[in-house]
Amino acid sequence: DTAVSQTPKYLVTQMGNDKSIKCEQNLGHDTMYWYKQDSKKFLKIMFSYNNKELIINETVPNRFSPKSPDKAHLNLHINSLELGDSAVYFCASSQGLRPSTDTQYFGPGTRLTVL
Amino acid sequence: AQSVAQPEDQVNVAEGNPLTVKCTYSVSGNPYLFWYVQYPNRGLQFLLKYITGDNLVKGSYGFEAEFNKSQTSFHLKKPSALVSDSALYFCAVRGPGAGSYQLTFGKGTKLSVIP
Repeated sequence: DTAVSQTPKYLVTQMGNDKSIKCEQNLGHDTMYWYKQDSKKFLKIMFSYNNKELIINETVPNRFSPKSPDKAHLNLHINSLELGDSAVYFCASSQGLRPSTDTQYFGPGTRLTVL
Repeated sequence: AQSVAQPEDQVNVAEGNPLTVKCTYSVSGNPYLFWYVQYPNRGLQFLLKYITGDNLVKGSYGFEAEFNKSQTSFHLKKPSALVSDSALYFCAVRGPGAGSYQLTFGKGTKLSVIP
């Protein structure tokens, strides 16, 4: 009955590879997010989709591309992985965007290590 | 631009003593404020949020936070700390208005409760 799930939990890969991280929420939420947490635990928003529409697209390399096939899924594809991409990536979802509905619920994270 | 400051990297408190984790914010207009907790190797868990109304907000696990508009602060408190409260705590803010979707997080404060 996991609310927000991510796969894989751990991802170890070589520089230059392309990889994807999947996120699914079973909360019936309309809005989903991707965050990056660096080695110092700093948490920064990358993308957000509301009803499958991209609404937040922070300054991240265009090697990162989100894809939302439906409201319950938001996947993150990363091309040409670099050492600096090593981090923990968190998916989150919220019911909506209004202050009464914007509480975000986080997945367990995907620890990406680029060698 | 909105921002959050958590001035303490680490807070140590003895079990049974009251705890405070500090947070100040900067945002245009009335803020919406959040506290999240992250246990080791886990995702963030929502604790509480302030939207409007009573300045004292009660949340999960016995935590509460006090909104102080004049001091632009939203400190997290608990009357009696437990060892199991040891974790990383994040304060976050978003601004008012339909376009202010983005949640900005502080850098986190590590709470250690000593038995």
